[in-house]
Amino acid sequence: GAGVSQSPSNKVTEKGKDVELRCDPISGHTALYWYRQSLGQGLEFLIYFQGNSAPDKSGLPSDRFSAERTGGSVSTLTIQRTQQEDSAVYLCASSFTDRSGYTFGSGTRLTVV
Amino acid sequence: RKEVEQDPGPFNVPEGATVAFNCTYSNSASQSFFWYRQDCRKEPKLLMSVYSSGNEDGRFTAQLNRASQYISLLIRDSKLSDSATYLCVVDSGYSTLTFGKGTMLLVSP
Repeated sequence: GAGVSQSPSNKVTEKGKDVELRCDPISGHTALYWYRQSLGQGLEFLIYFQGNSAPDKSGLPSDRFSAERTGGSVSTLTIQRTQQEDSAVYLCASSFTDRSGYTFGSGTRLTVV
Repeated sequence: RKEVEQDPGPFNVPEGATVAFNCTYSNSASQSFFWYRQDCRKEPKLLMSVYSSGNEDGRFTAQLNRASQYISLLIRDSKLSDSATYLCVVDSGYSTLTFGKGTMLLVSP
């Protein structure tokens, strides 16, 4: 597609429920990243995929968070047993290489009530 | 020391003013540097890459000082539409980018 597409754009969920966030990167971009941004805070790295290599999961805050990337394209970030502190904007980005600038999607605003 | 440090601002300037933002980074092995712009409740967008020799894009000039681990962004002839948060971004050395928390710019008529 022309840009990075994320869905849903907004998600309100009850504490304890699982959520899935989807990212469709720019066609041909081999690198895909997930970040999150809490209100008034900077971007926090979560996970990075590059081609067929094992993902860099070093930023995932707990084992409730997981992500996969199928066929080197679409990625899904799953948060199990959501907590209120998980409320944030989850941003996906993709790039041609792992050192070039990123193109971000418009994000998923997650609210846990 | 934080990985990427920026003055949060806000910087309040009138239209037509020149404003400069600075950023320091801690990882001396970093090779790639960028400035991003983020509008309120929007995703960050790449403004420009920063090269060792310095680079200019219209009213925007970026400079890199590797010895001091310091990056700057200069905006000349500020426009109302320049109002945004400017993020200093540095590669982490591990194939990801580290974002500063940003400097807020408010340009007034």
